[in-house]
Amino acid sequence: DTGVSQDPRHKITKRGQNVTFRCDPISEHNRLYWYRQTLGQGPEFLTYFQNEAQLEKSRLLSDRFSAERPKGSFSTLEIQRTEQGDSAMYLCASSLEGRDNTEAFFGQGTRLTVV
Amino acid sequence: AQSVAQPEDQVNVAEGNPLTVKCTYSVSGNPYLFWYVQYPNRGLQFLLKYITGDNLVKGSYGFEAEFNKSQTSFHLKKPSALVSDSALYFCAVRDIVASGTYKYIFGTGTRLKVLA
Repeated sequence: DTGVSQDPRHKITKRGQNVTFRCDPISEHNRLYWYRQTLGQGPEFLTYFQNEAQLEKSRLLSDRFSAERPKGSFSTLEIQRTEQGDSAMYLCASSLEGRDNTEAFFGQGTRLTVV
Repeated sequence: AQSVAQPEDQVNVAEGNPLTVKCTYSVSGNPYLFWYVQYPNRGLQFLLKYITGDNLVKGSYGFEAEFNKSQTSFHLKKPSALVSDSALYFCAVRDIVASGTYKYIFGTGTRLKVLA
């Protein structure tokens, strides 16, 4: 078990370009979350998957954002036509829900800088 | 909707002294509460959780938290602070959403500085 893995760790892109981030959750975890964190703030919920189904999306997730988890394993988060306001740390987390398993485990994050 | 509040942006404590990082919650029903720690340019690390049972919960790295229902608080504590405990600490609550599933709502964070 290597924990939640995110790739890349850092991404610098020009405004207007598209970017895609990948998250590999802990292997047996069926739940996967994406969060966004800006400097000095707590993580803000973006979206949630249970297996391959995207069950919840935040109002923060504009039409330029799309997330997938095609086989219920890894997930991708794509941002189209990036804007400077998209600059943030994008965090992925996974969990395995059960009577005693309620916490989410986070990856190291992908730091996006839009210039 | 559930929420948590962390009233202190920063807490300073001398090494070896006890530390407390405060968190209050607002929930309907039974709360599922968590503490996470974040080091610079890193993701969040799980410290401990309260679901039910004993009000004093023990977690990683010598941390513990006290659940107080009457005060709706879940303060993080450690008897003797280390310089290496200096980091950003987040309190979180699990929120049941419309689909019947869960998401985690985080506080704004408290920066802990342990001074040598």
